[in-house]
Amino acid sequence: AQSVTQLDSHVSVSEGTPVLLRCNYSSSYSPSLFWYVQHPNKGLQLLLKYTSAATLVKGINGFEAEFKKSETSFHLTKPSAHMSDAAEYFCVVSDPTEKLVFGTGTRLLVSP
Amino acid sequence: NAGVMQNPRHLVRRRGQEARLRCSPMKGHSHVYWYRQLPEEGLKFMVYLQKENIIDESGMPKERFSAEFPKEGPSILRIQQVVRGDSAAYFCASSPPGFSGNTIYFGEGSWLTVV
Repeated sequence: AQSVTQLDSHVSVSEGTPVLLRCNYSSSYSPSLFWYVQHPNKGLQLLLKYTSAATLVKGINGFEAEFKKSETSFHLTKPSAHMSDAAEYFCVVSDPTEKLVFGTGTRLLVSP
Repeated sequence: NAGVMQNPRHLVRRRGQEARLRCSPMKGHSHVYWYRQLPEEGLKFMVYLQKENIIDESGMPKERFSAEFPKEGPSILRIQQVVRGDSAAYFCASSPPGFSGNTIYFGEGSWLTVV
């Protein structure tokens, strides 16, 4: 079965410093992996996706993620945090039966 | 092109009442998914439907919950005899035929509060 583990429930950074949100996956198949962002009481916005093309994936708002098969990881990074990045981030793997399997989320806090 | 539309955005029900949540997929999308997000948790898959067919309902609770996607009109998630534990955000997502894992779009969610 597919699963993802988000290693940190909360991450705190200062504005202007790098962001690292960690995700490990487990999959019996070649996975499709996603990062979604959710602002408070809002829906989900797709940040980026990996679907077996380039292992370094660039997304919106300066985010990127690198697929590392040897480490079964798909960590999300951003060089410089902005206050507006404060939100909940979900790492997601797609199931071959067309279901998305969500991690438990990482809350990113950005301080001035 | 409007996105996935969900309504109501917020719904309050007393214990024992029925809740109906509606989802209109994006134009041209024939696949609909429902997910539930309990407080402080990630989203959990509930059901996957195509027009007039339930494809996968492995995430649906066995009792009180049902879903449909009729030939005409929105998809409906129905919760009968609601209990406090049903309080959650319910998200609908849609995708076009030939889902490839990268074209699924989410609505903004319906927040159900059971009092």
